[in-house]
Amino acid sequence: AQSVTQPDIHITVSEGASLELRCNYSYGATPYLFWYVQSPGQGLQLLLKYFSGDTLVQGIKGFEAEFKRSQSSFNLRKPSVHWSDAAEYFCAVGVRNNNDMRFGAGTRLTVKP
Amino acid sequence: DTAVSQTPKYLVTQMGNDKSIKCEQNLGHDTMYWYKQDSKKFLKIMFSYNNKELIINETVPNRFSPKSPDKAHLNLHINSLELGDSAVYFCASSQDAGTQYFGPGTRLLVL
Repeated sequence: AQSVTQPDIHITVSEGASLELRCNYSYGATPYLFWYVQSPGQGLQLLLKYFSGDTLVQGIKGFEAEFKRSQSSFNLRKPSVHWSDAAEYFCAVGVRNNNDMRFGAGTRLTVKP
Repeated sequence: DTAVSQTPKYLVTQMGNDKSIKCEQNLGHDTMYWYKQDSKKFLKIMFSYNNKELIINETVPNRFSPKSPDKAHLNLHINSLELGDSAVYFCASSQDAGTQYFGPGTRLLVL
């Protein structure tokens, strides 16, 4: 079965600084890849997804992610973080023809003023 | 016009009780899911239903039983609640193996 690792449990950045959240997956073929965000006390909101095609994917709220097959990675980036970006971020991996999606443990983002 | 809705939002109950959480989606999706998120925010899939048929059943206690009266609804019934069942339970839906859309969660506290 597929699996996903988010190496960073907690990251703190200053408002206006750039952000990169790491995600590595394990799967033999090309997976479906997702980033979700969860604000405190809320459900999960999809930021972006990769199914095929262009490996640089644009999402909502100014986020983007790049699929790198050689590194089995799908890192999330944002050039300038806003205080409202403070939340928990989850990377997830799914597979074609299978509804089983696995989530990483999450990375908690704190934004300093 | 909420896409995936869950009721109740909060549930506080005593150990040993039986409770149900309801989920409805109006997206026309054919697959629905239940996830458990523990206090460390770890999300684990519990069940998945595709066209009213169970297709994933992770190793959860048999006190948990999903019930899908139709493809727009997937309810979760829990018997003999235990302290360790306290968590946030999320319902989600998808079309085939595509993007999963999540409900707002049900925060269960067992006392």
